[in-house]
Amino acid sequence: GENVEQHPSTLSVQEGDSAVIKCTYSDSASNYFPWYKQELGKRPQLIIDIRSNVGEKKDQRIAVTLNKTAKHFSLHITETQPEDSAVYFCAASNPDSNYQLIWGAGTKLIIKP
Amino acid sequence: DGGITQSPKYLFRKEGQNVTLSCEQNLNHDAMYWYRQDPGQGLRLIYYSQIVNDFQKGDIAEGYSVSREKKESFPLTVTSAQKNPTAFYLCASSRNLAGSNEQFFGPGTRLTVL
Repeated sequence: GENVEQHPSTLSVQEGDSAVIKCTYSDSASNYFPWYKQELGKRPQLIIDIRSNVGEKKDQRIAVTLNKTAKHFSLHITETQPEDSAVYFCAASNPDSNYQLIWGAGTKLIIKP
Repeated sequence: DGGITQSPKYLFRKEGQNVTLSCEQNLNHDAMYWYRQDPGQGLRLIYYSQIVNDFQKGDIAEGYSVSREKKESFPLTVTSAQKNPTAFYLCASSRNLAGSNEQFFGPGTRLTVL
């Protein structure tokens, strides 16, 4: 079945700098890749997603890139702000797993003032 | 943040007791999910349901049970067979599995065993 690995587990960046979180997946049939943000004690919320027919997607300060050949996708956050501090989860989904989301282990992003 | 609700927000259970966590959605979503999250950890799938009156075990179903009698509701029972139930429980729903895969989460229930 699908397996999603996420790195790093913790990322600390200076406010204003960029942050990059990477995920790899194992099943080449996976075709949907969302990123969720979870603030402390809160529910995860979708911040951006990408489908396999697209290589990159941007939404203001966040972007996701997908490399189908290498089977990895990344979250990029530019001009980081204190409110970006949270845990970020990647996931992958494909028809073979009934479109369940297979989750990465999460990355704790710390923005240093 | 309307659309999917969970109750209660906090729940305390004595050892040996069964407890039921509520999850309701008014998004007309076909699929619903239950996840367990331990401190500093990721999301582990307990059960999911694609359609009313049908559900499948996830990765950690032992000690849990569910029902899906109505499209809007997917309650989770934590039984006494679950040896370490203290955790944050999240319910989610999605439109349908072959279409939009985005999952919408409820606010969670924090269960503590005394």
